[in-house]
Amino acid sequence: AQKVTQAQTEISVVEKEDVTLDCVYETRDTTYYLFWYKQPPSGELVFLIRRNSFDEQNEISGRYSWNFQKSTSSFNFTITASQVVDSAVYFCALSEKRNSGAGSYQLTFGKGTKLSVIP
Amino acid sequence: GAVVSQHPSWVICKSGTSVKIECRSLDFQATTMFWYRQFPKQSLMLMATSNEGSKATYEQGVEKDKFLINHASLTLSTLTVTSAHPEDSSFYICSARGTSGFTQYFGPGTRLTVL
Repeated sequence: AQKVTQAQTEISVVEKEDVTLDCVYETRDTTYYLFWYKQPPSGELVFLIRRNSFDEQNEISGRYSWNFQKSTSSFNFTITASQVVDSAVYFCALSEKRNSGAGSYQLTFGKGTKLSVIP
Repeated sequence: GAVVSQHPSWVICKSGTSVKIECRSLDFQATTMFWYRQFPKQSLMLMATSNEGSKATYEQGVEKDKFLINHASLTLSTLTVTSAHPEDSSFYICSARGTSGFTQYFGPGTRLTVL
C-alpha cells in the first residue's frame, strides 16, 4: 500500500485560476512530518513547506496555502491565482521514523502531480 | 540558506566506465545525506542513506558494490556508479539534512547517460 497518495497525476488550469493538489498519507506513527516539494522542468526539487504532525494549523504563504487535516490524513496544497511559473511537478512527502538505518527519519514521496498552467 | 550543490549536472559515459557524482552542502553541515534515483515521469526512489563517517545504508534492491557512497565530511558525499551500463542511465539526486531539523534539501540533480 502506498504511504503517500497523490491521486491527481496531471492537472491543467488556465492562468489565474485556483488549483488544489491533493495528498493523502498513511502512517502509524504519532510523530511525523509532511512536506511539499516543487520540481520544475530544470529538475531541482524546491522545498515549499514542512508540517509537524502535532501542528494542524493551516498555513498561507503568498499565493500558496496548505490544509492539514489529521482526521482525514490529508495535506492538501492550494495555489491561488496560478501563474505559468507554477507549472511543475509537485511532490507530497511523508517523513516518519524508521526502526533502523542511518537516517532515522526518511522521506517517502508520492508519485507527484504534474501541474500545467496555460497562459 | 540550505543550499545543496551537485556536480556534474550531466554526464555521458561509455558502458563499463565509472562515474563519480559529488554532493555538497554549501551553507550547513549535513549530518545525513541521501541519494535518490528518478526515472522519467516517475517519483524519487531512495537508494541509500549515509551519516558522516559511517557506511551507507542501502535500500533493498540497490547494489552497494555498484553504487559506492562515501560521506567523508559534513559537507561532502559522493556517489560512484561503477562499471556503468545503459540501464544505469537516470537522474540522480542527492539530498542533505542538517543537525537542526527534519527538512531535507535537495541538490539540482545529475543526469547520467550511459552509451
